[in-house]
Amino acid sequence: EDKVVQSPLSLVVHEGDTVTLNCSYEVTNFRSLLWYKQEKKAPTFLFMLTSSGIEKKSGRLSSILDKKELSSILNITATQTGDSAIYLCAGHTRDDKIIFGKGTRLHILP
Amino acid sequence: NAGVTQTPKFQVLKTGQSMTLQCAQDMNHEYMSWYRQDPGMGLRLIHYSVGAGITDQGEVPNGYNVSRSTTEDFPLRLLSAAPSQTSVYFCASRATANYGYTFGSGTRLTVV
Repeated sequence: EDKVVQSPLSLVVHEGDTVTLNCSYEVTNFRSLLWYKQEKKAPTFLFMLTSSGIEKKSGRLSSILDKKELSSILNITATQTGDSAIYLCAGHTRDDKIIFGKGTRLHILP
Repeated sequence: NAGVTQTPKFQVLKTGQSMTLQCAQDMNHEYMSWYRQDPGMGLRLIHYSVGAGITDQGEVPNGYNVSRSTTEDFPLRLLSAAPSQTSVYFCASRATANYGYTFGSGTRLTVV
């Protein structure tokens, strides 16, 4: 059974801190790993990772995939209160299912 | 460009009633999916489609039906609503398998 596990489930840090969110996956015929940010409503797409060891970066956010360890991390540097959200990781199978983890709820204190 | 449009935004049903959640996209995306989101559970895949005329089951398909007669529309049917189907439902679409999903704004469904 396909499974995506995220940790921690919840995290509270102060503005300016750096955070690392973890995602591990057991996905049949793995195709890619995706990260999403969900604030009040619908998730918004952050990254798609297909190759091991290649960092994807967008501003203060970056992510990397480790296919040997079946895992990925999402880093956020110099956090701001606007980074408060649920961060969702998802595994994409070759039969085109996208399976999500339960998410990490991140709260940034001013 | 409307993106992914879901209707209604809110709905209250009585146990045993049926209804259809509508989802339409105007981006000519081949891939569409329905997810439900419950507190602490992330997003769980209900049904998905890789093109018009093709649908398949996800993680939690029981109690839900779908069809995909056109590229644009992917309605989700609840035949006999149950309180366990109280949830927020998201429809999503993407152009190809090499892109991430664009999500609709969600439908909050309460079954009493």
